[in-house]
Amino acid sequence: GDSVTQMEGPVTLSEEAFLTINCTYTATGYPSLFWYVQYPGEGLQLLLKATKADDKGSNKGFEATYRKETTSFHLEKGSVQVSDSAVYFCAHMDTGRRALTFGSGTRLQVQP
Amino acid sequence: DAGVTQSPTHLIKTRGQQVTLRCSPKSGHDTVSWYQQALGQGPQFIFQYYEEEERQRGNFPDRFSGHQFPNYSSELNVNALLLGDSALYLCASSGRDRVGGYTFGSGTRLTVV
Repeated sequence: GDSVTQMEGPVTLSEEAFLTINCTYTATGYPSLFWYVQYPGEGLQLLLKATKADDKGSNKGFEATYRKETTSFHLEKGSVQVSDSAVYFCAHMDTGRRALTFGSGTRLQVQP
Repeated sequence: DAGVTQSPTHLIKTRGQQVTLRCSPKSGHDTVSWYQQALGQGPQFIFQYYEEEERQRGNFPDRFSGHQFPNYSSELNVNALLLGDSALYLCASSGRDRVGGYTFGSGTRLTVV
């Protein structure tokens, strides 16, 4: 069945370090791909998305590129801040089913 | 502009009881989906409502049921609560295209004792 696999956390970085969180997926057809972020005690916020192969989603310095050949959607940021500390979820949505399938989440801790 | 509103924020129930959670979608959205997020896990899709009907359903038992009202708000009902139903229940709304992504509420934290 459809699934999303993320690298396990926590990921601990110093401020201004480079961030990569790996995400791969299995799906039938051509899903849309998403990154959501969850701050403590809150719901999920959409961070970025890509709807077709080779699309690059970007927002607040974060980027991810839809790689169909490797079924991946890795999240990157060139310089993280303490305020980026949160849990990040990769997800895909099959356009036919229109329900999100999430990975298990990766906790990011950024130290000053 | 109000986003997705969920109530209550926290709830404690006893095993075997029934619970109703409520959700008001973001203004302009007509589709509501419910997700269950166990501690330390990613959200799991329960079901989706559109035009007052259940359109999609995840791998959850019939103890989980829902409803959508003409104003697009929605309820999630869980009967015969089990300890394993303890989780954060998230409501998400979207417009008709749905591909643009969903807007999530802050969730209802349900604890079953």
